[in-house]
Amino acid sequence: GAGVSQSPSNKVTEKGKDVELRCDPISGHTALYWYRQSLGQGLEFLIYFQGNSAPDKSGLPSDRFSAERTGGSVSTLTIQRTQQEDSAVYLCASSPVEETQYFGPGTRLLVL
Amino acid sequence: AQRVTQPEKLLSVFKGAPVELKCNYSYSGSPELFWYVQYSRQRLQLLLRHISRESIKGFTADLNKGETSFHLKKPFAQEEDSAMYYCYHEENYQLIWGAGTKLIIKP
Repeated sequence: GAGVSQSPSNKVTEKGKDVELRCDPISGHTALYWYRQSLGQGLEFLIYFQGNSAPDKSGLPSDRFSAERTGGSVSTLTIQRTQQEDSAVYLCASSPVEETQYFGPGTRLLVL
Repeated sequence: AQRVTQPEKLLSVFKGAPVELKCNYSYSGSPELFWYVQYSRQRLQLLLRHISRESIKGFTADLNKGETSFHLKKPFAQEEDSAMYYCYHEENYQLIWGAGTKLIIKP
């Protein structure tokens, strides 16, 4: 079946602009995670959604970052006033409750 | 603070040689540990989960609570094993990642 999809696959933006990254999880998966991968930094957890519970936002690096999950399905990660240090690959993953996570292909963000 | 340490950023071995990718964790309870692999230009894939005790693509990993380690091993490396390998620990929906080890298998 279809896996986790993310769009766009690549995004180049200018410093100070806002960007939106989209994640379509696997149908029926109640949990959705956002991570980012920076060169030499490994993977960093950003935010976690589980069903209708309040999201775990503890990984968001600043208040410029926010995420929504509409109808328990699609999620959008928004970065406002982008900075060059925001350049990274942003990964989304979904899973059934407390099960193995399935990752999307990622969105490569470059802030010039 | 909880940590997952992968001490080697880069590991290079010859084809057919044994491989050991090191992972150490700092957690006093019962850890939930995983290995993920990322082949070039592909998405992250789950390789091993310690509670399953499976062998995937010839890789195994044993949890050693005494040494707080979860090293990934394969007796005979193959060229297709070249990839980035990430160890991580999951607890209460927090995922603590190692920095990753780039494995290069030389022909």
